[in-house]
Amino acid sequence: DGGITQSPKYLFRKEGQNVTLSCEQNLNHDAMYWYRQDPGQGLRLIYYSQIVNDFQKGDIAEGYSVSREKKESFPLTVTSAQKNPTAFYLCASSPHGTQSGEQFFGPGTRLTVL
Amino acid sequence: AQSVSQHNHHVILSEAASLELGCNYSYGGTVNLFWYVQYPGQHLQLLLKYFSGDPLVKGIKGFEAEFIKSKFSFNLRKPSVQWSDTAEYFCAVSGRAGTTDSWGKLQFGAGTQVVVTP
Repeated sequence: DGGITQSPKYLFRKEGQNVTLSCEQNLNHDAMYWYRQDPGQGLRLIYYSQIVNDFQKGDIAEGYSVSREKKESFPLTVTSAQKNPTAFYLCASSPHGTQSGEQFFGPGTRLTVL
Repeated sequence: AQSVSQHNHHVILSEAASLELGCNYSYGGTVNLFWYVQYPGQHLQLLLKYFSGDPLVKGIKGFEAEFIKSKFSFNLRKPSVQWSDTAEYFCAVSGRAGTTDSWGKLQFGAGTQVVVTP
């Protein structure tokens, strides 16, 4: 069953702690993306990767870090430097070489900082 | 900079009413246009998309959208909504491949929460 999985679904962390959100895809897509969704603000791009071992900052990368060691995986670390980390985080992927820009989304992880 | 504006943040309507959600974008190049939908508790999923050709595109579940280039608009419509259309709707824009470094990057609007009452 092809798709994108994100874990965990809900995550709680204490202030000052780093936390890593998982994103895995078995769609054989080259490109992967991380978004943050806040009420009334839509989705904002945090980081994206168009190929393994390469990634670029999106519009709101401060306080976040990523890695892309494998094609299937694109974990996001929310660091203690992120001033307002409580949000819903969405991972997406898209096939490389397409002109469409169409992306496929995972179910999301809701992060709450206590 | 690329931007996407959705006209309404919340829409409440009754079953069988017609729906139209406005979307305008600001972008200097050639674009691809999308509407995504997020049903309660479900993944964000593609409703419809426009790349080129006929500016009136049809999507899933009876939705359609019209691209009006002169107005930089891509409004979503459904003639008769159902309770199951209750969801959040997002308009998104992507630069066309070969035209910009924003290729493959989606710029989303703020979303419109639609509530359909029985």
